[in-house]
Formats: sequence, structure tokens, C-alpha cells
Amino acid sequence: NAGVTQTPKFRILKIGQSMTLQCTQDMNHNYMYWYRQDPGMGLKLIYYSVGAGITDKGEVPNGYNVSRSTTEDFPLRLELAAPSQTSVYFCASSYPDSDLFYGYTFGSGTRLTVV
Amino acid sequence: GQQLNQSPQSMFIQEGEDVSMNCTSSSIFNTWLWYKQDPGEGPVLLIALYKAGELTSNGRLTAQFGITRKDSFLNISASIPSDVGIYFCAGLSSGANSKLTFGKGITLSVRP
Repeated sequence: NAGVTQTPKFRILKIGQSMTLQCTQDMNHNYMYWYRQDPGMGLKLIYYSVGAGITDKGEVPNGYNVSRSTTEDFPLRLELAAPSQTSVYFCASSYPDSDLFYGYTFGSGTRLTVV
Repeated sequence: GQQLNQSPQSMFIQEGEDVSMNCTSSSIFNTWLWYKQDPGEGPVLLIALYKAGELTSNGRLTAQFGITRKDSFLNISASIPSDVGIYFCAGLSSGANSKLTFGKGITLSVRP
């Protein structure tokens, strides 16, 4: 199994440009998440989804949008990139309905720089 | 909201030494998790704890779920250079739509 796959791994954007960060999981997990990680600040939740067609805001949703049309895919959209969105972005998935919660499975991240 | 406290932000140890990290909260959690993030990669689950007082080992790693359910500890014994990385604690409380709360992480450096 590939687990959680994120593309691209690196990207440089100019201010005002838009892009979509892709995330796909092949574990049939219901729940998916987008986090951003800034140095010394830990992981901050941007958006999450509990299933296809259902999304909700996390801690820092401003400037981002998501959609969840299938169980497997959870893309993150930046419409008007700003320097404050320079960060490393992680997608994760989980299956909270199991008897024991095994945590989130993370992708390897997308490093985004906005100049 | 819920917060998990990890300190210090960075730790520097000599290869072969043991190191202990703790994670504290003002809230009760029902599940505690410890993750490690290697440079340039996503976090990977090391140990999961499900019961207050539980002590679990994974090789040279040992973690404990605090009796009060408000803290957890991770010990690494006989450190090696590949232990370098960021160690995150995470807690899960009960309830529908409950999401993991993460600490800010501790960056561990190991001197050969």
C-alpha cells in the first residue's frame, strides 16, 4: 500500500498565484486532514473531512479551500497565495471507527514557498 | 481549547545517552500517541497508549500514559544518531468528531 501520497513535494509560487496541493490515500480511511507546519509551532489544522462530501474548518482555514468528492482524495486549494502561506503542508488520514485508534497516517509533505 | 505542552523546544544529547520527554495538559485524554518526524518527512507513529497507567515499549522506546490522564512520557534509551528528529505527543479525547491535539514537538539532536 502507498498510504498517503502528496504531490508536489516542493513548489515556489508568486504572490497572488493559485495552486492545488494534492492528497490521495489508498487505505479506505474515512477521515482526512490538512495541517501546516511552521518552525517551532507544531502542526496546525487547516481543514478536515469526515467523509466524501463533508468538510469542516480547522484552526487556521483562512486563505484555503478544500473539497472531498471521493473517499480517496482531499485536495487543498490556495486561491491567492500570500507570503504568510509559506510553510510545509501535511495531509493525513485516519479510521476512527476502529476499536483502537491507531492515530493518523501522514503523507511526506509539500514544501511551499511564496515569493 | 485543548493544549499539549512539550518543553524544552530542543534537546541535545550524546550518543549512547538516555533521554526522557514529557507532555502535559490541563485536559484529560483517553488516548496518547507519540510520533517522530525525520527531517523532510511526515510524522510517523511510534507508540500508542490507551489506558491510564499503561507502559508500552517499542525497541529502545518506552512510553507511559499518566495516571491522571493529563500527561505522558517517552523515554529513549541508548540513543543513536538516527534518533535525530522532532518528537510530537498527541492526545485524543472522547466524543464524536474528536480530533487529535498535538504538542509543538521537541527537536532532538544526538552528537556522535
